[in-house]
Amino acid sequence: SQQGEEDPQALSIQEGENATMNCSYKTSINNLQWYRQNSGRGLVHLILIRSNEREKHSGRLRVTLDTSKKSSSLLITASRAADTASYFCATDGEYNFNKFYFGSGTKLNVKP
Amino acid sequence: ETGVTQTPRHLVMGMTNKKSLKCEQHLGHNAMYWYKQSAKKPLELMFVYSLEERVENNSVPSRFSPECPNSSHLFLHLHTLQPEDSALYLCASSPVAGNDEQFFGPGTRLTVL
Repeated sequence: SQQGEEDPQALSIQEGENATMNCSYKTSINNLQWYRQNSGRGLVHLILIRSNEREKHSGRLRVTLDTSKKSSSLLITASRAADTASYFCATDGEYNFNKFYFGSGTKLNVKP
Repeated sequence: ETGVTQTPRHLVMGMTNKKSLKCEQHLGHNAMYWYKQSAKKPLELMFVYSLEERVENNSVPSRFSPECPNSSHLFLHLHTLQPEDSALYLCASSPVAGNDEQFFGPGTRLTVL
């Protein structure tokens, strides 16, 4: 399966701390994306990193990609209670651009 | 708001009912998607439409029937569903089909009794 798998499944931190979530996948990719989902709502795109990129920043978000290890990490710095959500990585298929493969997500709880 | 709307937001139906889910995007995108999200499972891609043509059918049972009358609208017709089909059904769109950012609707929470 191409699915990304996030780790840990759940993470609980205090406001102000950094949160790190990891994603591993199985086959070659063209890009990897991170999404956030608030409880029972749709997913919101956070950041896209292409296979030839190693690191990308967007505000308090930092994403790294290691294609040799087939893994990515999402770092949220100075977390806020509003960051409480589930976070998913999504990978495309190297030979099938129509498909996205999502993992099961990391549930982040930021305590005020 | 992401520019993708879904109706209804909640739906309860019996196994013998026929109902439809509707998705509309106001973004001028050419690709639309249906996903199923069940508890504690990865998001499952069901169907992909590109320029109103179905380009992916991810081994979805025939009791789910998609329809894309134009690039702004996507339907999911439901009939003879099973309780295990209860889930959050998410619609998404993207500029083109493929490895691009997807914009998701808020979802329809479906309960099959």
